[in-house]
Amino acid sequence: KAGVTQTPRYLIKTRGQQVTLSCSPISGHRSVSWYQQTPGQGLQFLFEYFSETQRNKGNFPGRFSGRQFSNSRSEMNVSTLELGDSALYLCASSLQGQTYEQYFGPGTRLTVT
Amino acid sequence: GQQVMQIPQYQHVQEGEDFTTYCNSSTTLSNIQWYKQRPGGHPVFLIQLVKSGEVKKQKRLTFQFGEAKKNSSLHITATQTTDVGTYFCAAQETSGSRLTFGEGTQLTVNP
Repeated sequence: KAGVTQTPRYLIKTRGQQVTLSCSPISGHRSVSWYQQTPGQGLQFLFEYFSETQRNKGNFPGRFSGRQFSNSRSEMNVSTLELGDSALYLCASSLQGQTYEQYFGPGTRLTVT
Repeated sequence: GQQVMQIPQYQHVQEGEDFTTYCNSSTTLSNIQWYKQRPGGHPVFLIQLVKSGEVKKQKRLTFQFGEAKKNSSLHITATQTTDVGTYFCAAQETSGSRLTFGEGTQLTVNP
């Protein structure tokens, strides 16, 4: 089985711009979760989608949003980028949700200048 | 919200020494998962613990879930250079709730 794929792998944006990141889960997985990883803050949960519905949400401002499509692929969007949004954004897929083993993608490294 | 404390933050050992990382929650947990992230890589699932007092072993790795289901530990016997990486615990309060990751323990092994 192919693993979780994320595109793009690297991205450089300017403050104020917006960005969309994409995640394709493992075939058959219905849950996709997004995390922000920074050296000082560890892995911070953004949100989880299951069957196109947001099931859980972390403590991030409304500038961070996401969605899931009928084929389970997911996108996350960050609007009005700030310097502090520079991070590695990881998505993870699982069969049924966060109670189950999470399979992480390689991440998208976002740099905001 | 739920908080998961993981200690130590860093651990440097000589190859062959043992290593332990601890994960503590203020609330009772439904289950806890452990992940390993190699430098430059992404987290990889190691194991899940569900039952009170559960102990699971994977070769040189021993995972424990506390009797009160509020803490967990990962112990590595006789570390090797291949054990280098950051070990994260991830806890879930109730089935279906969000998974909260600890801040991780970064392990370095000197050959």
